[in-house]
Amino acid sequence: DQQVKQNSPSLSVQEGRISILNCDYTNSMFDYFLWYKKYPAEGPTFLISISSIKDKNEDGRFTVFLNKSAKHLSLHIVPSQPGDSAVYFCAASADGGTSYGKLTFGQGTILTVHP
Amino acid sequence: DTGVSQDPRHKITKRGQNVTFRCDPISEHNRLYWYRQTLGQGPEFLTYFQNEAQLEKSRLLSDRFSAERPKGSFSTLEIQRTEQGDSAMYLCASSPRPGPYEQYFGPGTRLTVT
Repeated sequence: DQQVKQNSPSLSVQEGRISILNCDYTNSMFDYFLWYKKYPAEGPTFLISISSIKDKNEDGRFTVFLNKSAKHLSLHIVPSQPGDSAVYFCAASADGGTSYGKLTFGQGTILTVHP
Repeated sequence: DTGVSQDPRHKITKRGQNVTFRCDPISEHNRLYWYRQTLGQGPEFLTYFQNEAQLEKSRLLSDRFSAERPKGSFSTLEIQRTEQGDSAMYLCASSPRPGPYEQYFGPGTRLTVT
């Protein structure tokens, strides 16, 4: 079962505009969420994270929003730059228990930012 | 700090052969993870080490797979009697502290089984 879903395989935006990437999850035990960016031939690079006790976290051009009741999170990139073109993965983790911090990833969304 | 390194970056092998991959985590990171990524999917968790102890294994890790982390430093992932379905990118990640915090990934080893 796909516990973390990114329903948009791709997203295309114009440079300078906002990019919004979405992610849904089903496991109510998830309480920490992360976004990773991946370029071809490289491993995923950590971007930003959010704990379930918050509903927003901001870091420069990147903001993550969490809606726990809807089990939905989103990543906003403002303004978008051509260098942001990459695959973006949403990931989730369940603290405590025997999860040991393992990450459950979505399928990824390919973001293309056009100059 | 040179980040997480993995070797080899690419491996082509024939079905039935054994392969071994190596991961060197960021120094002093005591948590090490292995993931597998297939085309069009996100990484999937395989196994986790805290220091030298293997504390969790996914059901994806069949009996043909074995991982070790002797002395709590580098780790190896071995696949015996490879099958075409093992073709994937194998990613290693490390983390400096307990809890669900960010993990730092290596570039991966791409395995192709012919």
